[in-house]
Amino acid sequence: DAMVIQNPRYQVTQFGKPVTLSCSQTLNHNVMYWYQQKSSQAPKLLFHYYDKDFNNEADTPDNFQSRRPNTSFCFLDIRSPGLGDAAMYLCATSLSGTPAYFGPGTRLTVL
Amino acid sequence: AQSVTQPDIHITVSEGASLELRCNYSYGATPYLFWYVQSPGQGLQLLLKYFSGDTLVQGIKGFEAEFKRSQSSFNLRKPSVHWSDAAEYFCAVGPLGGYQKVTFGIGTKLQVIP
Repeated sequence: DAMVIQNPRYQVTQFGKPVTLSCSQTLNHNVMYWYQQKSSQAPKLLFHYYDKDFNNEADTPDNFQSRRPNTSFCFLDIRSPGLGDAAMYLCATSLSGTPAYFGPGTRLTVL
Repeated sequence: AQSVTQPDIHITVSEGASLELRCNYSYGATPYLFWYVQSPGQGLQLLLKYFSGDTLVQGIKGFEAEFKRSQSSFNLRKPSVHWSDAAEYFCAVGPLGGYQKVTFGIGTKLQVIP
């Protein structure tokens, strides 16, 4: 059974058009992470939530925002996508520890 | 700052052969070390982790890894590779205690040939 679900699996957007990626989890984990993974690169942490506390990485562009309305859901908003934002976006969860469960990812294409 | 080096971008092995994927880390204190596997089109799956105790760690799918502090290494091994092991493997390092922010290596792509 799927534990971390990401929707959509593939997202195509236009340059500058806002886009929202969704992540949901059935594990009741208190920590949720968003990673960006570009082709042939390591996943890069954008931000994470520890319960409702939002923790932004220092080098995450302001263009990226996140919302966590409840324990189960977390959203990644890209306000004005640029060509350089094309990547795989991975959501992960943990119970106060290592990001242990990853979703399948959303591949974002920017035209 | 913590960092991870995976010196092999691609590795090809024959099915049934043994496998060793290399990982070297840089971290100022006692590290928390991980190996993840990513199958094509899938998210990452945690294979195993080490933070203390026996330096030889057993993971899922028949994988093991050995922590060698003197070499700053955490190499992943499997005695006999199966075609389904073809995937990308990521080594990662993080700080101990609390919730961790792991730093990933660039990954090693494993190809398995019949």
